[in-house]
Amino acid sequence: GQQLNQSPQSMFIQEGEDVSMNCTSSSIFNTWLWYKQDPGEGPVLLIALYKAGELTSNGRLTAQFGITRKDSFLNISASIPSDVGIYFCAGPNSGGSNYKLTFGKGTLLTVNP
Amino acid sequence: DGGITQSPKYLFRKEGQNVTLSCEQNLNHDAMYWYRQDPGQGLRLIYYSQIVNDFQKGDIAEGYSVSREKKESFPLTVTSAQKNPTAFYLCASSTQGSLNYGYTFGSGTRLTVV
Repeated sequence: GQQLNQSPQSMFIQEGEDVSMNCTSSSIFNTWLWYKQDPGEGPVLLIALYKAGELTSNGRLTAQFGITRKDSFLNISASIPSDVGIYFCAGPNSGGSNYKLTFGKGTLLTVNP
Repeated sequence: DGGITQSPKYLFRKEGQNVTLSCEQNLNHDAMYWYRQDPGQGLRLIYYSQIVNDFQKGDIAEGYSVSREKKESFPLTVTSAQKNPTAFYLCASSTQGSLNYGYTFGSGTRLTVV
């Protein structure tokens, strides 16, 4: 099946630093989704990308849909302590069932005040 | 406000007992899902349901059972056959026919078996 490889697995940064994480696949995705999971809670959708090359921002977050449609990037600028959590990339399965998302394994972000 | 509710937030059970986790949504979503989350292992799909009275096994269905008698509800039973049931369980829902808007997740249930 389709797989999403997310990196890095974890990051430890100082408050105020910028953060960059990415997600790659051997298969083409037509939609890329980025979620954030706060500790002890369910994931919440941050950004959705629908077009190759698209660059979308949501406050301090910026995400890009790769030109090849096999990768996506998420950047966080000027990190703050509440950015702590797990960030997941995801995309809809293609072929067969259209009712499941494929998820990366997540990037665990720790921000030191 | 529309949303998806999981209850309880924390659940403790003795080994060998079955336990049922509740998931209710008022988003009018057709599809519902159950995921298990363990540290460092991401989200693993247990079961999903696209319509009422129908559901399919996910990647780790052994030791679990579900029902979908109502559109709004998708309870998960963790049976005594599940060898390592302690985990964080997430329920999600989505609109039929398009996952471009992703899933809406509940806030999770942390199950601890002692």
